[in-house]
Amino acid sequence: SAVISQKPSRDICQRGTSLTIQCQVDSQVTMMFWYRQQPGQSLTLIATANQGSEATYESGFVIDKFPISRPNLTFSTLTVSNMSPEDSSIYLCSGGQGVYEQYFGPGTRLTVT
Amino acid sequence: GIQVEQSPPDLILQEGANSTLRCNFSDSVNNLQWFHQNPWGQLINLFYIPSGTKQNGRLSATTVATERYSLLYISSSQTTDSGVYFCAVEFTGNTGKLIFGQGTTLQVKP
Repeated sequence: SAVISQKPSRDICQRGTSLTIQCQVDSQVTMMFWYRQQPGQSLTLIATANQGSEATYESGFVIDKFPISRPNLTFSTLTVSNMSPEDSSIYLCSGGQGVYEQYFGPGTRLTVT
Repeated sequence: GIQVEQSPPDLILQEGANSTLRCNFSDSVNNLQWFHQNPWGQLINLFYIPSGTKQNGRLSATTVATERYSLLYISSSQTTDSGVYFCAVEFTGNTGKLIFGQGTTLQVKP
């Protein structure tokens, strides 16, 4: 199994600003992902964080809005840029070994005012 | 298109009752997981079950991959079982990407 931590756990941000969320895994994992959960909704995949290269984004998500870094096999960051109230969500990272079980961080609860 | 459907969307039980949650998926899968999301938003892994049957205490799960469905059984429910249960599927060819169903919101009353 993998234990995943995220920082910050929650934040309240002003419209137009940016927030960077950190994700740390306690062991090396092949795959890392970022998900968004809007209020009352299910989880939607934002992107696959690729080590040492550009992230792979899902339809509806773009790098300019959600830049992602993954410098090594245990760490990734997601930035939410130029925030608007519609970005208010829980952002979760996950990690796993390919087709095997994935584990999730506790999430970052973001409120944009 | 690729779909993951869960039923029922909402469920209210009295403490001690049993329940069955269902997850239907539209294509062959590499991975299927059941999660419980607690009131603080944390996703707790319940089962990794791309096929077969597993049990863990009062919870058990069965996936019939050939018929494209999975079931989560909760027996002797407790108030602490309340929350949202998600089924998430990795379809064949989409390595690692989990597609989540819409969830079943369970409320267990004392």
